[in-house]
Amino acid sequence: QKEVEQNSGPLSVPEGAIASLNCTYSDRGSQSFFWYRQYSGKSPELIMFIYSNGDKEDGRFTAQLNKASQYVSLLIRDSQPSDSATYLCAVKGDSNYQLIWGAGTKLIIKP
Amino acid sequence: ETGVTQSPTHLIKTRGQQVTLRCSSQSGHNTVSWYQQALGQGPQFIFQYYREEENGRGNFPPRFSGLQFPNYSSELNVNALELDDSALYLCASSFGGVYSRANVLTFGAGSRLTVL
Repeated sequence: QKEVEQNSGPLSVPEGAIASLNCTYSDRGSQSFFWYRQYSGKSPELIMFIYSNGDKEDGRFTAQLNKASQYVSLLIRDSQPSDSATYLCAVKGDSNYQLIWGAGTKLIIKP
Repeated sequence: ETGVTQSPTHLIKTRGQQVTLRCSSQSGHNTVSWYQQALGQGPQFIFQYYREEENGRGNFPPRFSGLQFPNYSSELNVNALELDDSALYLCASSFGGVYSRANVLTFGAGSRLTVL
């Protein structure tokens, strides 16, 4: 059973600081990794995806992938109260049609 | 460009009843996936439809079934509802089916089902 693990939080970060969210996965063969943001009562929305080891930056967001250690992280720089949400990590499994999801980390940005 | 739309947004059913949820995919997308999200959990994959055929299924019983229509819209049907079926049901569309490298999903707002 392939698994994706996230700390449920809540993770509380002061406004303007860096928020660091982590995710580990069990299938060493996983190739594609996704971070989604979900506001309370809303549907998930894609923040970014990463395929290769290393860092990928998009605005205030940086995804980091380490396949040897089987973890992927998301850094949010200059955190804003509007970043307060649940962040879901998802990993593509063997097939092209299925994503395996973590339970999400609740992030709270305190003004 | 229209996004993914789902209906109804909320509904209440009783145990044993049947429910149909509907989804219109984003313009240009030909693949629809359905997910179940219980409170405080990540989405669980139910199945995916591509070119009107189911091309992948998660660990859900046969009483969960679906359809995809020629315009790529889709339905999720659940028979013999159980209390544990209470959840947010998410439809997600994407372009490309089996051979698509990236599962870049666009989600609808969801249908919240409560089973009493």
